[in-house]
Amino acid sequence: AQSVTQLGSHVSVSEGALVLLRCNYSSSVPPYLFWYVQYPNQGLQLLLKYTTGATLVKGINGFEAEFKKSETSFHLTKPSAHMSDAAEYFCAVSDFQGAQKLVFGQGTRLTINP
Amino acid sequence: DTGVSQNPRHKITKRGQNVTFRCDPISEHNRLYWYRQTLGQGPEFLTYFQNEAQLEKSRLLSDRFSAERPKGSFSTLEIQRTEQGDSAMYLCASRPGRIILGHTGELFFGEGSRLTVL
Repeated sequence: AQSVTQLGSHVSVSEGALVLLRCNYSSSVPPYLFWYVQYPNQGLQLLLKYTTGATLVKGINGFEAEFKKSETSFHLTKPSAHMSDAAEYFCAVSDFQGAQKLVFGQGTRLTINP
Repeated sequence: DTGVSQNPRHKITKRGQNVTFRCDPISEHNRLYWYRQTLGQGPEFLTYFQNEAQLEKSRLLSDRFSAERPKGSFSTLEIQRTEQGDSAMYLCASRPGRIILGHTGELFFGEGSRLTVL
């Protein structure tokens, strides 16, 4: 069964600093991987996704992620943090069987310090 | 293009009462999912529908929970005899059918319905 582990439930960076949110996955087949962002009391918004092809994928709001099969990782980065990036971030892997649901990690809360 | 709509957004109820949440998916999406999210956790799968058929249920979905999608459009999630442990955000998501070439499996989420059981 597919699963996701997000290392670090809380990450704090200064405005303008590099953002790195870590995600490792487990999948018995080549995975489809996703990053979602959630602002307080709102639903989840897709940031970016990896399916096949180029392993470095770019998303909205300046975020990007790199799929590394050898490390079973899909870490999310942004070169320069902005105050508006403060939110909860979730990594997810697609389950290809049955419901084909997304399986989510526990989430990482990103705080931006002025 | 209207997104996924959920209501009510917030519901406060007393223990033992019944509550019902409604989800209106994106109109051309035949797959509809319910997730539950507790504070500080990621969303957890509850159940999903393909058109009007409920095809999979998580073990998290106790017998006090029931979900329907009677005409393959909107869906309702009812919780009977609510308990304090039911307090959570209930998220609905939809997408087109099976993962096929050109569709990559992402889900489109609504804003969620937050339940507080006193």
